[in-house]
Amino acid sequence: GQQLNQSPQSMFIQEGEDVSMNCTSSSIFNTWLWYKQDPGEGPVLLIALYKAGELTSNGRLTAQFGITRKDSFLNISASIPSDVGIYFCAGIASGAGSYQLTFGKGTKLSVIP
Amino acid sequence: SQTIHQWPATLVQPVGSPLSLECTVEGTSNPNLYWYRQAAGRGLQLLFYSVGIGQISSEVPQNLSASRPQDRQFILSSKKLLLSDSGFYLCAWNRRTNSPLHFGNGTRLTVT
Repeated sequence: GQQLNQSPQSMFIQEGEDVSMNCTSSSIFNTWLWYKQDPGEGPVLLIALYKAGELTSNGRLTAQFGITRKDSFLNISASIPSDVGIYFCAGIASGAGSYQLTFGKGTKLSVIP
Repeated sequence: SQTIHQWPATLVQPVGSPLSLECTVEGTSNPNLYWYRQAAGRGLQLLFYSVGIGQISSEVPQNLSASRPQDRQFILSSKKLLLSDSGFYLCAWNRRTNSPLHFGNGTRLTVT
């Protein structure tokens, strides 16, 4: 099946810094999703992307659907302590259904006050 | 608005005991329903999905089974738990194929 390579695996940043993480695949995707998971809770949808080149913001978060349809990135501006958590990318490959949603392995974000 | 409920939040069960985890969705009809397992805070693995009452698809062979007795109810079961069944189990739903999944808060299962 499809695989998503998410990087970095983890990152430590100072409060106030900007953050960038990305996902890449060898397959073409029709949908890219970004989730955040707090400890002991389920992932929460942050941003959904449906078209190549699409750039979508949600507060301090911005995500883009890569032109090649094989990658996506998530930026967080001016990080704050509550941004701590694990961020997952997920995608639905061309021709697949949502039951074939592929997840990256996550980026664990730590924010130093 | 739609909400998804999962219970219990945590569960400690001995090896060989049965399991029943329940998930219900409110505020929508005929959702697609999913059970995922997450190991060590990473790597979500799809276990089962259902597109309608009584319709269950299994993604991986295992010691678990799923049932959908009602439109908005999804149950994960086992007759005899194994140590390897320990993990974080997540229920999810979406309204239609290719729309984003929405997750419940999960059940932390520890098999001792």
